[in-house]
Amino acid sequence: DAGVIQSPRHEVTEMGQEVTLRCKPISGHDYLFWYRQTMMRGLELLIYFNNNVPIDDSGMPEDRFSAKMPNASFSTLKIQPSEPRDSAVYFCASRLGVLLFFGPGTRLTVL
Amino acid sequence: KNQVEQSPQSLIILEGKNCTLQCNYTVSPFSNLRWYKQDTGRGPVSLTIMTFSENTKSNGRYTATLDADTKQSSLHITASQLSDSASYICVVTDNYGQNFVFGPGTRLSVLP
Repeated sequence: DAGVIQSPRHEVTEMGQEVTLRCKPISGHDYLFWYRQTMMRGLELLIYFNNNVPIDDSGMPEDRFSAKMPNASFSTLKIQPSEPRDSAVYFCASRLGVLLFFGPGTRLTVL
Repeated sequence: KNQVEQSPQSLIILEGKNCTLQCNYTVSPFSNLRWYKQDTGRGPVSLTIMTFSENTKSNGRYTATLDADTKQSSLHITASQLSDSASYICVVTDNYGQNFVFGPGTRLSVLP
């Protein structure tokens, strides 16, 4: 298995633009998490899904952020409109049982 | 409030030396504690996972300890190598298994 796959690996965009981050979890994993990592705040949970259903989105900073998981092998995190303070590394992670695996992350820079 | 604290914030050691990283937590009820290694530009990778009943667990040159009474854990790295330079993150899961509480990490630099 290739592990958790995220795309793009890097994204540079201008303030106000829409950004879509993509994630393919490990096959068979029933939980998917979206995290954001910054130097100031470390890793923060944004939202997680269980069997494609959003369970807890209390970490989503505001309405500009949305996430979907249309099927067991794909999830997206969308930011619209993006702002400079959204610049961070966004990680997707999938879990089976107690094992949590992270993707390589998407480094987002909003100018 | 569930929290995980780590110390030191950063650490610089010479290649071949040993070091110990600390983690204190207030997560309750406790399920398990994990140590992750995060290389620059990559996602965290699990080193160890310990449950309430485990006091020590080793993974090569990495040895993690857990004292569930004092709610403390340590990660000891023996005979450090340049490739050990990374951030080490302590993560505690509550008894429901859904809540992962992340520590801020310790940034380790191993110099030749």
